[in-house]
Amino acid sequence: DPKIIQKPKYLVAVTGSEKILICEQYLGHNAMYWYRQSAKKPLEFMFSYSYQKLMDNQTASSRFQPQSSKKNHLDLQITALKPDDSATYFCASSQPTSAETLYFGSGTRLTVL
Amino acid sequence: AQSVTQPDARVTVSEGASLQLRCKYSYSGTPYLFWYVQYPRQGLQLLLKYYSGDPVVQGVNGFEAEFIKSNSSFHLRKASVHWSDSAVYFCAVMGYNQGKLIFGQGTKLSIKP
Repeated sequence: DPKIIQKPKYLVAVTGSEKILICEQYLGHNAMYWYRQSAKKPLEFMFSYSYQKLMDNQTASSRFQPQSSKKNHLDLQITALKPDDSATYFCASSQPTSAETLYFGSGTRLTVL
Repeated sequence: AQSVTQPDARVTVSEGASLQLRCKYSYSGTPYLFWYVQYPRQGLQLLLKYYSGDPVVQGVNGFEAEFIKSNSSFHLRKASVHWSDSAVYFCAVMGYNQGKLIFGQGTKLSIKP
């Protein structure tokens, strides 16, 4: 059974719309992350959260907003979608004291038309 | 600047042959070094990681990597590949306990029968 669940697996959106990518982990971890994989760039770090608090943000745009409603959830809200946002978004988790060992979900593939 | 370079976008080897995937990194300080594998439509899975100690580190499924500090390299090796090794392989670095991985572009490995 997957321990990190990302929903949906595939998502198609129109330019200018808003979407929320869901991530839940059942590993008992207290640190969660978002990464992005696009055709033009290597896998890149976006955000890290520890105990539901933002620790690091490498995303220049405020259109990307993580949301942590529960300690095992870290959703990603994306507003005013652009075609360049098309990518696969991966959620990951770790223990804060062992942040070198990340576990990744299978990703949400977002296509913006 | 911190970066990871995987010079080979694609590598094709025959089943049963040996394999080396190249990785060079640039990082100020002492990073963690990683190799991840991504099978089609799946998330990333950790093959191995290195921080200190014996420069040859063993991973899962017969993979190993050698850290060569003088060359800033961390090449991945396998003595005999199997068709199931077909995947994309990512080299990555991370600062101590940061949770923020910096990835290379990835190397797509294809296995010839």
